Formats: sequence, C-alpha cells, structure tokens
Amino acid sequence: RKEVEQDPGPFNVPEGATVAFNCTYSNSASQSFFWYRQDCRKEPKLLMSVYSSGNEDGRFTAQLNRASQYISLLIRDSKLSDSATYLCVVNPGDYKLSFGAGTTVTVRA
Amino acid sequence: EAGVAQSPRYKIIEKRQSVAFWCNPISGHATLYWYQQILGQGPKLLIQFQNNGVVDDSQLPKDRFSAERLKGVDSTLKIQPAKLEDSAVYLCASSSPTGEVRTYEQYFGPGTRLTVT
Repeated sequence: RKEVEQDPGPFNVPEGATVAFNCTYSNSASQSFFWYRQDCRKEPKLLMSVYSSGNEDGRFTAQLNRASQYISLLIRDSKLSDSATYLCVVNPGDYKLSFGAGTTVTVRA
Repeated sequence: EAGVAQSPRYKIIEKRQSVAFWCNPISGHATLYWYQQILGQGPKLLIQFQNNGVVDDSQLPKDRFSAERLKGVDSTLKIQPAKLEDSAVYLCASSSPTGEVRTYEQYFGPGTRLTVT
C-alpha cells in the first residue's frame, strides 16, 4: 500500500466553482500534514499546513481526520490561477516528507 | 533571500553514461534532500543529509546512484551508469526544521530534467 494516496483527477471546474478532494495516508503515527502546490514543469511549493482542528487560508480550507487517516482540501471561488497539481504531503517523522502523486485541478473560464 | 539553486536545468544522455547534478541550498539550511520525480508521480526521496551526514538513503539505488555533501553546504548527486528508467526530474530541497511544524517546510530548487535515451 502506498504511504499517501490521492485521486489523480483531473478535476475540471469552471471559474467560481468549489472543488474538493481528499487523500489518505497509511502510517497512523504520522505527525504533520501539508498541501503543496506544483505548477506544470515547476517545483513544489508549500500551500498550507493542515492542523487537527482544520484551518483556512483565504479560499482554501484543509481538514484532517486522524481516525480515518485522510486529509482534504477545498477550494472556494476557483480562479484560473488555481490550476495546478496539489500534492498531499505527510510527515512520518525525522523531518521527512512523503508525497502523494498529486491531484490535478484545471479551472476553465 | 536566494532560493535553492540547481544545475544543470536539463540534461540528455545515453544509457550507460554517467551524469552529475549540483545543488546549493538556502543559506543556513542544515537539511538537504534529493528527490526523484517521475512524470505523473510525486517526488520520491532519494537521500537526506543533515549538515554533511547522511540521515536516510534507504531509497537510493546505491549500485548506480551516489551523493555527497562534503562541507555541509552544497551537494552533488551522481548516476553511473544511467538507465532508461532514470529519466525524471531530480529535485533538491532544503529546510531548517526546529521541531515546530511550520519549520518542516521544504524549499525546492527548479530541478534538473534528465532524459536517458
């Protein structure tokens, strides 16, 4: 079983729509969770950390469910610039990060 | 603040040839990572350095891959001999974790896109 599994998508949504997707992780001892964003042919960049109580950053909302071992990301009022691959990232310990394969989101005009 | 620097940006080699990639992390970052990202997949950790010591190289194919960070600053990743399946983007990242969650952020360089023919 992969350490981090994501629905690859693609999610093709119109501007202004809401899009949400999940990822699951296998290591119940994982300590920290993140969403990274990767634009086409670019390097990954941190989008947001995911806290146990859930957190928002502008139009982005992240949730963590430790009991079911899944993480979600919701994007409200989608913009064209939100088109990217979103990588679910888990810290299993020792300052390492395990990356999912990514969920591709395409926002169309 | 200057970001993570990598070179070259692109490399095309034939199978069985050797290749080397260079990375200079963000100044002051003690932890350096090399990842391999195959098209359609997430980055896979190859090796993690803390200063000039190896923390984790469990996924590094040691029969053909080697890496060093001799002075605890910049690092070199080498492949010798290359295989077709080594075609990928090689990403270098650095971080300066202090135990707080926010410091787990890894800063990535632009990567080296390797094509093995």
